Amino acid sequence: EAGVAQSPRYKIIEKRQSVAFWCNPISGHATLYWYQQILGQGPKLLIQFQNNGVVDDSQLPKDRFSAERLKGVDSTLKIQPAKLEDSAVYLCASSLDGLLGTGELFFGEGSRLTVL
Amino acid sequence: TQLLEQSPQFLSIQEGENLTVYCNSSSVFSSLQWYRQEPGEGPVLLVTVVTGGEVKKLKRLTFQFGDARKDSSLHITAAQPGDTGLYLCAGPHSNSGYALNFGKGTSLLVTP
Repeated sequence: EAGVAQSPRYKIIEKRQSVAFWCNPISGHATLYWYQQILGQGPKLLIQFQNNGVVDDSQLPKDRFSAERLKGVDSTLKIQPAKLEDSAVYLCASSLDGLLGTGELFFGEGSRLTVL
Repeated sequence: TQLLEQSPQFLSIQEGENLTVYCNSSSVFSSLQWYRQEPGEGPVLLVTVVTGGEVKKLKRLTFQFGDARKDSSLHITAAQPGDTGLYLCAGPHSNSGYALNFGKGTSLLVTP
């Protein structure tokens, strides 16, 4: 079974530039998550989708971050304009049905962003 | 946000030693999960504990959920270099989405 796919693996940009990350979850998984992991910390939830609807985006900095999952499958996370503090690994995860609770999250390898 | 505090933050031990890492919160959780993350990879689920007082074993790893469902521990017996990684505990948000809220993790290094 194919895992969660993310791209790009690495991205280096200047501050105030924009960047986009792509995620393809495990086939059949209804719930998709984007997490931000800053070095030395645990993952922090940015946004949770159930199919193509947003369940929770309370921790997404909406003035610069946006995410979509238009067809309920793959998803894109965009940052515009980037700040130095956005340097982190952006992890995408999926689960069969996150609204049932206690389900396993399957993570991709992450996209490492460096903002100079 | 329900905070999960993990201790110790860092642990460096020799192969063969035993260790315990802790995950504590002031909030009650319906369940807690433990993940291990290796450098350059995403976290991978080790175990889910659901019942207060529950003990689960996974080879040399023993997980315990506190009676009050506010804390959990992970004990590793006879650690191996392959156990090296970041150990994260996580519990579902109290809001409707049940997305996982993670602790900062314990970074474990096991040297031969």
